[in-house]
Amino acid sequence: KQEVTQIPAALSVPEGENLVLNCSFTDSAIYNLQWFRQDPGKGLTSLLLIQSSQREQTSGRLNASLDKSSGRSTLYIAASQPGDSATYLCAVSVSQGGSEKLVFGKGTKLTVNP
Amino acid sequence: EPEVTQTPSHQVTQMGQEVILRCVPISNHLYFYWYRQILGQKVEFLVSFYNNEISEKSEIFDDQFSVERPDGSNFTLKIRSTKLEDSAMYFCASQFAGQRYFGPGTRLTVT
Repeated sequence: KQEVTQIPAALSVPEGENLVLNCSFTDSAIYNLQWFRQDPGKGLTSLLLIQSSQREQTSGRLNASLDKSSGRSTLYIAASQPGDSATYLCAVSVSQGGSEKLVFGKGTKLTVNP
Repeated sequence: EPEVTQTPSHQVTQMGQEVILRCVPISNHLYFYWYRQILGQKVEFLVSFYNNEISEKSEIFDDQFSVERPDGSNFTLKIRSTKLEDSAMYFCASQFAGQRYFGPGTRLTVT
């Protein structure tokens, strides 16, 4: 059974700092990996999608890497801003009975202090 | 930019009552999903839907749950007889090119 773990559970940094969020998964048989942002009481906003054949994806100040063989992904946020404060979720897409589903980690709650 | 919409944003119901949560997926998407998130816990898969039928469901999705796409645009989740433990945020999602697009969620509170 696929399990996704995110470390750390919470992170507090001063504005401007570069930071790395970690995600690990137990089964390397994934279709893709997706990073989401969740603001309190809100839905999930997709940040980056990495296909299983890819090693990384970049969008603005965000860079996500994927090492499928070791079951790890990292989300790098450059020059953090207070507006980046949110919970960041990692999810892997797995096959089950002919369809795909996402298995989520519990998230890393990021606070960027002005 | 197209987005997934969900109504209502918050639903309060009494234990044992039926609720219907509504979603309008992005129009050219073919795969639809329901997920839920109990407060403080992980987002969990409930069910996937393709070509007007359930393609996969989790062990959470028991006989009390059902899904329907009644008119080609709406996608609904029905809980027949709600329990206290059904209180959660319910997210609808649709998929295109491997990427999931999530709605803002419906917060269901069962009292």
